[in-house]
Amino acid sequence: EVQLLESGGALVQPGGSLRLSCAASGFTFTNYAMTWVRQAPGKGLELVSGISGSGASTYHADSVKGRFTISRDISNNTLYLQMDSLRAEDTAVYYCAKSRGLYYYFALDVWGQGTTVTVSS
Amino acid sequence: DIQMTQSPSSLSASVGDRVTITCRASQSISTYLHWYQQIPGKAPKLLIYSASSLQSGVPSIFSGSGSGTDFTLTISSLRPEDFATYYCQQTYYIPYTFGQGTKLEIK
Repeated sequence: EVQLLESGGALVQPGGSLRLSCAASGFTFTNYAMTWVRQAPGKGLELVSGISGSGASTYHADSVKGRFTISRDISNNTLYLQMDSLRAEDTAVYYCAKSRGLYYYFALDVWGQGTTVTVSS
Repeated sequence: DIQMTQSPSSLSASVGDRVTITCRASQSISTYLHWYQQIPGKAPKLLIYSASSLQSGVPSIFSGSGSGTDFTLTISSLRPEDFATYYCQQTYYIPYTFGQGTKLEIK
């Protein structure tokens, strides 16, 4: 069974850092791009970061560029999102999602359950 | 950025009804358009990819159509479990943007 399990969400102060993890299982990790999608309370969906199957290509939305870094560790099939200089507007549920193909322009066919990040003093 | 505009933003319907949700892109996106369903408190679920392809395991009451700038998601006969929020997403232009969502409620 294909599964994604996120962890790492927490309450953090503005300006702080956090690293989210997403453990993947049930598929060949390097054959698919992976993404992080967030949803602020009561709001819609925003694709914040993506990484190709090989890891050679990455994408970050303008709203997080220079502050967030997506990466993947193929030795343990885990996706990461390093979040620095956090702001109140980064408060959201963060979902890890698998692309249907090698690049992140494919649809997202498997989603984790989400992990909550709250940025507040 | 490509703007994705869904209509209506909310919709009331009854079990058994046929409903159609529209998604319009501010520029042509070929068929790089996908539809997701989100039940409150749950992760989104892929229903339709590439405008009209039904995701594996999704019932055939869901269908999608369109290309260029205008797309539709149709549910042929509503079931109780279909009352949710629906999002479209384009993956033709970076940033890959979602529509604002259409909340489907029970009448």
